[in-house]
Amino acid sequence: GAVVSQHPSRVICKSGTSVKIECRSLDFQATTMFWYRQFPKQSLMLMATSNEGSKATYEQGVEKDKFLINHASLTLSTLTVTSAHPEDSSFYICSASDRRVWNTEAFFGQGTRLTVV
Amino acid sequence: RKEVEQDPGPFNVPEGATVAFNCTYSNSASQSFFWYRQDCRKEPKLLMSVYSSGNEDGRFTAQLNRASQYISLLIRDSKLSDSATYLCVGSEPGGGADGLTFGKGTHLIIQP
Repeated sequence: GAVVSQHPSRVICKSGTSVKIECRSLDFQATTMFWYRQFPKQSLMLMATSNEGSKATYEQGVEKDKFLINHASLTLSTLTVTSAHPEDSSFYICSASDRRVWNTEAFFGQGTRLTVV
Repeated sequence: RKEVEQDPGPFNVPEGATVAFNCTYSNSASQSFFWYRQDCRKEPKLLMSVYSSGNEDGRFTAQLNRASQYISLLIRDSKLSDSATYLCVGSEPGGGADGLTFGKGTHLIIQP
């Protein structure tokens, strides 16, 4: 199956700093990428959806100025958590899909475990 | 707003039993569906794709009921390793960011 690489897998940062998470589709072009957050023992929560070359669409309650999403190419999207605080500590996962391909599924990255201290 | 709804569970099922759970969708334009499995602290992985009336893979059977707008996942002879969260995803043709809608998952616990 297609491969989506997410980096870093784990990151610890100090409160107030920014963290960038990368999501790359390695063997296909991702027209659309989805960013999720998952707190312990809770379900995946969609944060935002982005189409390549367009601004991301954020879910209600997700601050777009805090969670900056860039999807400038068909193989790379980044999520930057700005001015991170301990409550931002979570598991962040991306998924990617080529929506030009009929009936294709989305492929998930391995996730990034963010700890803000 | 397009929705994919799942019973979050948890479903506590004895090992060896058969378990089924449904996923309902609101967008009648959805043409294909996917079941993903997510293990604790891991990313979701594709379990099955459903393009027509259903699909079967070993102990797993997915069935699509377009009239009632739901997809079911049936697991026979359940094993301890089946414990996971199962995510349902609906896909509509035409592409674009709105083409995939994710459910929030059903938590399944297989007990010895």
